[in-house]
Amino acid sequence: DAKTTQPPSMDCAEGRAANLPCNHSTISGNEYVYWYRQIHSQGPQYIIHGLKNNETNEMASLIITEDRKSSTLILPHATLRDTAVYYCIVRVQGSSNTGKLIFGQGTTLQVKP
Amino acid sequence: ETGVTQTPRHLVMGMTNKKSLKCEQHLGHNAMYWYKQSAKKPLELMFVYNFKEQTENNSVPSRFSPECPNSSHLFLHLHTLQPEDSALYLCASSLLLDSQETQYFGPGTRLLVL
Repeated sequence: DAKTTQPPSMDCAEGRAANLPCNHSTISGNEYVYWYRQIHSQGPQYIIHGLKNNETNEMASLIITEDRKSSTLILPHATLRDTAVYYCIVRVQGSSNTGKLIFGQGTTLQVKP
Repeated sequence: ETGVTQTPRHLVMGMTNKKSLKCEQHLGHNAMYWYKQSAKKPLELMFVYNFKEQTENNSVPSRFSPECPNSSHLFLHLHTLQPEDSALYLCASSLLLDSQETQYFGPGTRLLVL
């Protein structure tokens, strides 16, 4: 089962910041939080990941609470092309150091003009 | 373009056919993954390979047979599939260094079993 909980859907106005929340209250100390998005029937696209510090890259920012039980993905200026399903995932350690990404249902973000 | 390619992009097969899906990565990664995404269901991990060695089999039926001849290529051989196996099959690859390895996905193969 997925270790994360996300709202099923959200709307955002074009040009505004999109803030996508995620709860991961059972996360372990060495498990990373990853965010991916999937635009209709394409392969998931990696966005960002973090452990406990806030992270920023050219796509988004990731804010992780101090207790690491929740996080927020921020798209600073949403565009129509950001309409997608966003997945918050806790990477679970698999065999031989490989990672297991346990996907949930994600949040469907609809960016509106 | 993530550097992970999959062929074919679409496939229609009968239940008695044998077909293969191919995945290739040009990123110098050493781990490869197969995922299945059925309609209205989350992605499910099927198989994991680390340096050509299978390290995970997520209780996948034997009608799905993976093959990893080298760290750049991954195949999924299909035989006697059922209509409920119709799905999007996604390949991913990653570079295993530590606990923050990132998986990059291909575009997927859309499979329809008649």
